[in-house]
Amino acid sequence: KNQVEQSPQSLIILEGKNCTLQCNYTVSPFSNLRWYKQDTGRGPVSLTIMTFSENTKSNGRYTATLDADTKQSSLHITASQLSDSASYICVVSGEYSDKIIFGKGTRLHILP
Amino acid sequence: EAQVTQNPRYLITVTGKKLTVTCSQNMNHEYMSWYRQDPGLGLRQIYYSMNVEVTDKGDVPEGYKVSRKEKRNFPLILESPSPNQTSLYFCASSTQGSGYGYTFGSGTRLTVV
Repeated sequence: KNQVEQSPQSLIILEGKNCTLQCNYTVSPFSNLRWYKQDTGRGPVSLTIMTFSENTKSNGRYTATLDADTKQSSLHITASQLSDSASYICVVSGEYSDKIIFGKGTRLHILP
Repeated sequence: EAQVTQNPRYLITVTGKKLTVTCSQNMNHEYMSWYRQDPGLGLRQIYYSMNVEVTDKGDVPEGYKVSRKEKRNFPLILESPSPNQTSLYFCASSTQGSGYGYTFGSGTRLTVV
């Protein structure tokens, strides 16, 4: 069964610190993986998209990594800011499917 | 500005009273989809549409209807809403099918009493 598991479920860190969010998936064959940021009550906004051949992709202070062999991805946030407080959702698409699989997200709280 | 527009933003209704949540996109996307988001369950797909007049069920279609008469619009219809349909709803669209980046609407918070 195609699944996307994210950890931790929630995370609290101090402003200025770094953190790493994890995403493990079982979707096969794999097409691409995306990380979204969702502010409370708002629609998710895409941060990065990675295909099979990509290992690392950055978007400002956000860096996503992908290991297609172990089916794992991480999202690293550097020098966190209060505005980084949000849910981060990992989304995986299969190669021959018109559906995508959403993780349940990691809720990140940045404390001043 | 490229966007997905949902209306209304907030809606409180009573059990059994038919309602429609509208969704419109201005990016000429073929693929559109509706999701509901509940605490602890993440985003779950209700219905999706690959193109005009082509719709299909997602993971939680019971109690919902959709139509795709025009490429830009994809309304979500609740014929007889029930309290278990209280949720946060998102419309999303993308080009070339669901394997590409979605653009999400801002959400509709529905409460059924």
